[in-house]
Amino acid sequence: GAVVSQHPSWVICKSGTSVKIECRSLDFQATTMFWYRQFPKQSLMLMATSNEGSKATYEQGVEKDKFLINHASLTLSTLTVTSAHPEDSSFYICSARGQGAGFEQFFGPGTRLTVL
Amino acid sequence: AQKVTQAQTEISVVEKEDVTLDCVYETRDTTYYLFWYKQPPSGELVFLIRRNSFDEQNEISGRYSWNFQKSTSSFNFTITASQVVDSAVYFCALSERYTNAGKSTFGDGTTLTVKP
Repeated sequence: GAVVSQHPSWVICKSGTSVKIECRSLDFQATTMFWYRQFPKQSLMLMATSNEGSKATYEQGVEKDKFLINHASLTLSTLTVTSAHPEDSSFYICSARGQGAGFEQFFGPGTRLTVL
Repeated sequence: AQKVTQAQTEISVVEKEDVTLDCVYETRDTTYYLFWYKQPPSGELVFLIRRNSFDEQNEISGRYSWNFQKSTSSFNFTITASQVVDSAVYFCALSERYTNAGKSTFGDGTTLTVKP
């Protein structure tokens, strides 16, 4: 199956710093990538949808200036958490979808962000 | 609007018991996709199955089986002869083909604990 990687797998940072998370599709071209956030013992909440070469579409309630998404190529999307605060601590998961039918998303392994 | 309901928050069974995880969905699209994912303690989402709205045929894969019934808008998942390794959170998800740009909506998840 298709493989999606995320880097880093975990990160600890100080409050006020920015953190960049990378999501890569390793063996297919991802026309669309999704970013999710998951709090402990909760479901995945979609944060934004990014299409290669265009601006990301954010879900209601998600601050676009806080969570910067860039989908510069068909294999890479990045999520930057700017000026992170402890409430941004969460598990961030990306998924990628290629062209074609099925609407199947391939998920990355996730990044656990802890903001001190 | 699309919605996925997993009414069972937690299920606990003893090894070798059969267990069924319920999933009920709501959608206005005539074309949609349903998914089941497993999330072990490591956090990575593991894809289990995709079913499109035109295919109501039930599927069996080893100890796993899925029962898709459009009449009741349900897509239930059964694990036969459960094992300790089946312990995880299981998510049901829905993607609409035309509405919501194919974004996936996840249920709240069912935490399955299989005791030895």
